Amino acid sequence: GNSVTQMEGPVTLSEEAFLTINCTYTATGYPSLFWYVQYPGEGLQLLLKATKADDKGSNKGFEATYRKETTSFHLEKGSVQVSDSAVYFCALIDGPGNQFYFGTGTSLTVIP
Amino acid sequence: ETGVTQSPTHLIKTRGQQVTLRCSSQSGHNTVSWYQQALGQGPQFIFQYYREEENGRGNFPPRFSGLQFPNYSSELNVNALELDDSALYLCASSFGQGHPNTGELFFGEGSRLTVL
Repeated sequence: GNSVTQMEGPVTLSEEAFLTINCTYTATGYPSLFWYVQYPGEGLQLLLKATKADDKGSNKGFEATYRKETTSFHLEKGSVQVSDSAVYFCALIDGPGNQFYFGTGTSLTVIP
Repeated sequence: ETGVTQSPTHLIKTRGQQVTLRCSSQSGHNTVSWYQQALGQGPQFIFQYYREEENGRGNFPPRFSGLQFPNYSSELNVNALELDDSALYLCASSFGQGHPNTGELFFGEGSRLTVL
């Protein structure tokens, strides 16, 4: 079956620190991979995506590379800001029907 | 462009009751999916509607049902509420049946249901 496992939080970092949030997946086919972010008081929104192996998704200074050999899609940012404080969800879709499988979310707090 | 809106934002029910949650999809989107997000968990897929028909369902019992209307808005109905149904219910809209390469969902802020 399909599933997503991501590192548990919460994660607390100082401003300008390097961020990595690990995500690994299990899929029966050839999934597309996503990172969604949920800022306080807001709905989930797409942060970045990658649709095939070795693709790199990027947005707002965040990056993630689709690694088929390690079934991973780790989220990274070189220098986090206080405004990056949010909950981050790794997700995949695999095949038609558009059913997303989400990880449990990782809460990030960035302190000045 | 109007985003995805959900109502009500919060509600409290007692065990055994029924609830209806509503969702207006983003302008131009014809597909609506519903997710249940329990506290501390990721969203779990309930079902998806495309052009007024259910075209995908997750591992939820039949007492979870839905509708999509001609204007693409949608309802989620839950009968015989149980304590474990307490969660944030998220509606998401998209265009088309969701070819995997398109993939982006646009989420509302959710309806938080508490079952006592």
